[in-house]
Amino acid sequence: GAGVSQSPSNKVTEKGKDVELRCDPISGHTALYWYRQSLGQGLEFLIYFQGNSAPDKSGLPSDRFSAERTGGSVSTLTIQRTQQEDSAVYLCASSSSRAEKLFFGSGTQLSVL
Amino acid sequence: AQSVSQHNHHVILSEAASLELGCNYSYGGTVNLFWYVQYPGQHLQLLLKYFSGDPLVKGIKGFEAEFIKSKFSFNLRKPSVQWSDTAEYFCAVTSSGNTGKLIFGQGTTLQVKP
Repeated sequence: GAGVSQSPSNKVTEKGKDVELRCDPISGHTALYWYRQSLGQGLEFLIYFQGNSAPDKSGLPSDRFSAERTGGSVSTLTIQRTQQEDSAVYLCASSSSRAEKLFFGSGTQLSVL
Repeated sequence: AQSVSQHNHHVILSEAASLELGCNYSYGGTVNLFWYVQYPGQHLQLLLKYFSGDPLVKGIKGFEAEFIKSKFSFNLRKPSVQWSDTAEYFCAVTSSGNTGKLIFGQGTTLQVKP
């Protein structure tokens, strides 16, 4: 597609359930980022993939969070045993090189009840 | 660790007023600096960036920013705002030559009154 695609756009889940969020980056983009956007908290860095290098996971808030990127393209962010404080918009972005212009998706609004 | 601080959380201006949004970062090395904007209902998009050279950079829609290395600052400016500039603005930084991890500030909501 022409842009970064994220699915689902909205996800409502119960506390304790696992969720998977998907990101399709722009074709050919080697860098992929996950951020979390909460009201008044700005964009919180979660994880960064660059080509075949080991991902930078330094922003993942707990071991309940994990992400993978298969074949250097699609990425999945998994949150296990969701908590109410996980409620936020999860944004994915991709770029063609290291920290050049990022192209953002429209995000997944996660609500944990 | 790198961090970015935006001083103003919510700014309200009338049309034609001048704008300056503050941004300070903490990192001792060489940095790349960005301003992103999120208009209501739209994706985040790049407004302007600084990598090297002239510390005064110009972006889209009449925005500019000045990198002052001694102050660790990268403030965003526009001489005369329009109602259509109503949006949330994010400053971001990454260290040059690193893996590309981009750190964002908390964001500033700008409301321009017609």
